[in-house]
Amino acid sequence: DIVMTQSPDSLTVSLGERATINCKSSQSVLNSSNNRNYLAWYQQRPGQPPKLLIYWASTREFGVPDRFSGSGSGTDFSLTISSLQAEDAAVYYCQQYYNTPHTFGQGTKVEI
Amino acid sequence: EVQLLESGGGLVQPGGSLRLSCAASGFTFSDYAMNWARQAPGKGLEWVSVISGGGGSTYYADSVKGRFTISRDDSKNTLYLQMNSLRAGDTAIYYCAKAGCTSSTCYTNRWGQGTLVTVSS
Repeated sequence: DIVMTQSPDSLTVSLGERATINCKSSQSVLNSSNNRNYLAWYQQRPGQPPKLLIYWASTREFGVPDRFSGSGSGTDFSLTISSLQAEDAAVYYCQQYYNTPHTFGQGTKVEI
Repeated sequence: EVQLLESGGGLVQPGGSLRLSCAASGFTFSDYAMNWARQAPGKGLEWVSVISGGGGSTYYADSVKGRFTISRDDSKNTLYLQMNSLRAGDTAIYYCAKAGCTSSTCYTNRWGQGTLVTVSS
């Protein structure tokens, strides 16, 4: 199984500041045949289901604010929130869908 | 608008069975892979199973393999999860989630609100 490890486990960021969450996979999730990284990012607010933010490592889902961006390739990825808003307080998860099981990272809690 | 409505959760004794359902609307159900994921109280997300669009391929997490069965009825726009030999460790909110592709190798772009399964004597 591919193990996904996020860092840090939690971070506190001031309003308007930048937040960066890292995600490392135990093996590459890059498909060389189509040059796509099979990596997604989700946001989960308290009491809510997860919401897709980013897929293919860097493609923003429709309707997601452009302050959210994803980067990285192979085994190392990042989610950046460029200017933190109050509604961004949540837990963020990365997930690989390159192989089954489609494993999640342990989550990173972002607090304001 | 995509809607996913899970049902069938509840309290069950260890060793018991439950069948979860997920009624889908707002998209062409048969065109998309569908997933189940779960979240134990206060814990992170765990992927459980996926079925491809058309139902030709199914995959499971090791923790549920041999005990859970995913299926779909495209005529009813409904996804199912048959759960047998339930254990305390299966206690969680179970989410139905739509994939963004027909293939099972895809991200999930819509999630239901979830249904709570509690396994306890």
